[in-house]
Amino acid sequence: AQSVAQPEDQVNVAEGNPLTVKCTYSVSGNPYLFWYVQYPNRGLQFLLKYITGDNLVKGSYGFEAEFNKSQTSFHLKKPSALVSDSALYFCAVRDGDSNYQLIWGAGTKLIIKP
Amino acid sequence: GAVVSQHPSRVICKSGTSVKIECRSLDFQATTMFWYRQFPKKSLMLMATSNEGSKATYEQGVEKDKFLINHASLTLSTLTVTSAHPEDSSFYICSASDRDEKLFFGSGTQLSVL
Repeated sequence: AQSVAQPEDQVNVAEGNPLTVKCTYSVSGNPYLFWYVQYPNRGLQFLLKYITGDNLVKGSYGFEAEFNKSQTSFHLKKPSALVSDSALYFCAVRDGDSNYQLIWGAGTKLIIKP
Repeated sequence: GAVVSQHPSRVICKSGTSVKIECRSLDFQATTMFWYRQFPKKSLMLMATSNEGSKATYEQGVEKDKFLINHASLTLSTLTVTSAHPEDSSFYICSASDRDEKLFFGSGTQLSVL
């Protein structure tokens, strides 16, 4: 069965510090992995995805994520956090070998303090 | 990037009435659109997959007769909440997928049933 876990409801980071938002997954086939962000009063936006290729994926707004097959993880990272990065972040996964739909994580609220 | 327009952004209605929410892909054709419900505690729940020219595929636990979905064209899907009740009050979001696996989201509709 497919599943995705975001173990942290909330992550607090000081501005300028590196940030990590964790995501682990479980699929039976090839994982297609995604990060989406929901800013306050704005719609959900695509950040980045991993389907194949380089394990380190770079996305919008300076974010990146690393696909780790052995640990079944796809953590979202940014070297230096900005206050404007404060938002709700969703990890999603689907089994690329099937027609199953995306499975969404519960979301992690990221708070960047000045 | 692609744009998905969702209307209305907010609707208040009386219990027992029906509400229609529209979702349009403005600059691309979407054979498949998705409808989500986002609860106050933030989790994103897939309600149904809307397929152009055919019946929607509903997720387990979602009432087909209550949440009517119509995907009449490649750019328009509608969700009608029939005989709305206060427990239907929620934030509803639509999305469409491009050929590159990315989802583009509407800005959402906040439904309040009095």
